[in-house]
Amino acid sequence: AQTVTQSQPEMSVQEAETVTLSCTYDTSESNYYLFWYKQPPSRQMILVIRQEAYKQQNATENRFSVNFQKAAKSFSLKISDSQLGDTAMYFCAFANQGGKLIFGQGTELSVKP
Amino acid sequence: GAGVSQTPSNKVTEKGKYVELRCDPISGHTALYWYRQSLGQGPEFLIYFQGTGAADDSGLPNDRFFAVRPEGSVSTLKIQRTERGDSAVYLCASSLTIPGQGEHEQFFGPGTRLTVL
Repeated sequence: AQTVTQSQPEMSVQEAETVTLSCTYDTSESNYYLFWYKQPPSRQMILVIRQEAYKQQNATENRFSVNFQKAAKSFSLKISDSQLGDTAMYFCAFANQGGKLIFGQGTELSVKP
Repeated sequence: GAGVSQTPSNKVTEKGKYVELRCDPISGHTALYWYRQSLGQGPEFLIYFQGTGAADDSGLPNDRFFAVRPEGSVSTLKIQRTERGDSAVYLCASSLTIPGQGEHEQFFGPGTRLTVL
């Protein structure tokens, strides 16, 4: 069975600085997808960034980038130039060809002014 | 365009009652997913529809939970004889592509917060 682990329940960062959120996963499959979702207090789950396992190049979306280490089964999220609006719960998630998402426990990120 | 919508946004019921939670996916999305998110946890998969049929219902916790999608669009999650442990946020997501094809991004609704007293 696949599992996703986020070992940092809470993180904080000063506005404009950089923060990295950690995620590890376990699977025996070779083809899969990894995601980072943001969930603000409104409960709306928003996709931040996505990585296909067969792609070696790390995904980047504006201030958000990932460090995907397939052999180590690690998928960390780096947020550069943190903004107050980045304050939210962040979930790492895994999906195989079956499509259903398996989520980690979440990391609560606070961006302080 | 409109995103995924869920109604009601909040539902309070008494132990033992029956509830229905509704999900309206994005128009044209063939795949629809239900997840349950308990307080302080990540969402947990319940069931996945491809069109009208349940392609994977392995996440339904027991036979009190049932979901339908009769016309391949709107879906209803039904919970019989509710228990206090069913209290959670129920999230619905839809996707344009089927698993394994394309980028398969799931778009989430705002969820229904169910409270069983």
